[in-house]
Amino acid sequence: QKEVEQNSGPLSVPEGAIASLNCTYSDRGSQSFFWYRQYSGKSPELIMSIYSNGDKEDGRFTAQLNKASQYVSLLIRDSQPSDSATYLCAVTGYQAGTALIFGKGTTLSVSS
Amino acid sequence: DVKVTQSSRYLVKRTGEKVFLECVQDMDHENMFWYRQDPGLGLRLIYFSYDVKMKEKGDIPEGYSVSREKKERFSLILESASTNQTSMYLCASSDYGGGGYTFGSGTRLTVV
Repeated sequence: QKEVEQNSGPLSVPEGAIASLNCTYSDRGSQSFFWYRQYSGKSPELIMSIYSNGDKEDGRFTAQLNKASQYVSLLIRDSQPSDSATYLCAVTGYQAGTALIFGKGTTLSVSS
Repeated sequence: DVKVTQSSRYLVKRTGEKVFLECVQDMDHENMFWYRQDPGLGLRLIYFSYDVKMKEKGDIPEGYSVSREKKERFSLILESASTNQTSMYLCASSDYGGGGYTFGSGTRLTVV
C-alpha cells in the first residue's frame, strides 16, 4: 500500500515565525508533489506544486523536494493567523499517473 | 470563476436508498476524481476517470459506482446507501498533464 505520511500536529507557531511542514512518501516512482491548504469546513485548495529536486518559492511559501530521501516539505515564512489551516501533502501514486495519494494532513495554528 | 461544481452541499438519505452525487467541471479537464474525507482517515480515493466512459477503481470502490457519459460530468452512485457511507464527498478534476487538482466544494452526506 503506497503511503504518504505527515505529522498530524497541531503545529503551533507565533505570528511572523517560519512554519515547517514535512511529508514522506513510500513510492519511489512518484513524480509530482503537491501541497494543499484546507480551512475547516472547506475543500482543499492547491498552494504549491513541485516536480524536481530542490526548492520552489512562491511568495511566502517554499516547497522543497528530495527524491532520494522521499521527502517533501513546505516552509511558510512570516506566518499569519490566516495561515491557520490543515496542510495536505499529496503525491502521484496510481497506475494512471495522475491520481493523487494524500497524507492525513498537518494542522497549523498561528497565534497573534 | 470556477470551475468544479457539486450539485448538493448537504444531503440526508435513508439506508438502502440509491444516491447520486453529481460533479460538473467547466475547465475541459480530462481527469476527474471522487474522494471521501473522514476524520482520522484523510482523503481516500473511490474512483477516477481519465476519459469519457473510462473509469478506474481507487482504494475504496466497494459500494460505489461511477458514470462519465460526458467529459464535463462525473457522477458517483451509492448503490444501496449504508450508514458507514456517511462522509464528506469531494470531487476534483485535473488536466491531461496531471497537474494539481481543482476541488469542488464538497457534499456532506448523512445516511440515516
